[in-house]
Amino acid sequence: QSVLTQPPSVSAAPGQKVSISCSGSSSNIGSNYVSWYQHLPGTAPKLLIFDNERRPSGIPDRFSGSKSDTSATLGIAGLQTGDEADYYCGTWDTSLRIYVFGSGTRVTVL
Amino acid sequence: QVQLVESGGGLVKPGGSLRLSCEASGFTFTDYYMSWIRHGPGRGLECVSYISSSGSNIYYADSVKGRFTVSRDNAKNSIYLQMNSLRAEDTALYYCARDKAPYWYGTGKIAEYGMDVWGQGTAVSVSS
Repeated sequence: QSVLTQPPSVSAAPGQKVSISCSGSSSNIGSNYVSWYQHLPGTAPKLLIFDNERRPSGIPDRFSGSKSDTSATLGIAGLQTGDEADYYCGTWDTSLRIYVFGSGTRVTVL
Repeated sequence: QVQLVESGGGLVKPGGSLRLSCEASGFTFTDYYMSWIRHGPGRGLECVSYISSSGSNIYYADSVKGRFTVSRDNAKNSIYLQMNSLRAEDTALYYCARDKAPYWYGTGKIAEYGMDVWGQGTAVSVSS
């Protein structure tokens, strides 16, 4: 069981926007920075967002991140078929003393 | 270029052992915290171990504590994961990953910037 809770799946038509929530606690999201990863099973995960809201170079501004208290959100605007993947939030958990990932959200483009 | 290459995976019986290796290239290895992260069938990503740039600070997930041991050899630009008492639930693709920022950058919070370089993974299957 993940300590960070995400919806199992979200879907939308091409060009639309989806938001993925990540709910945690004061020992993880509430006191540390959140990152978001895109993962196609069998391939290396890709860092999309770090420091709650910053994008690494090469990541389009269609991807956005935000954080409030013990929750974080990833937004994907202008949805494309290439965005179909699993998305995970991640952060350090000060109580567990390990990096923790969310339960993962499958994005489907209708 | 910046690269991580894992090796050492394979098929092992329950109770058996394996040693995974991850060789890094293209960056100053001694500046970075490193981690082992796995993805099991039908499961999400799980960070099983995290090691500081010097190797002096080590962290484990509860699921592997007492069974797995992480280490690094900075002279060989490599980290290792010794896995003992393997169980069926340890079956997964094991990735090696690098922190995005060197240890001396940022506010000092662990994993502040996430992991930006990942290997392609090495598969571990535990089955009788």
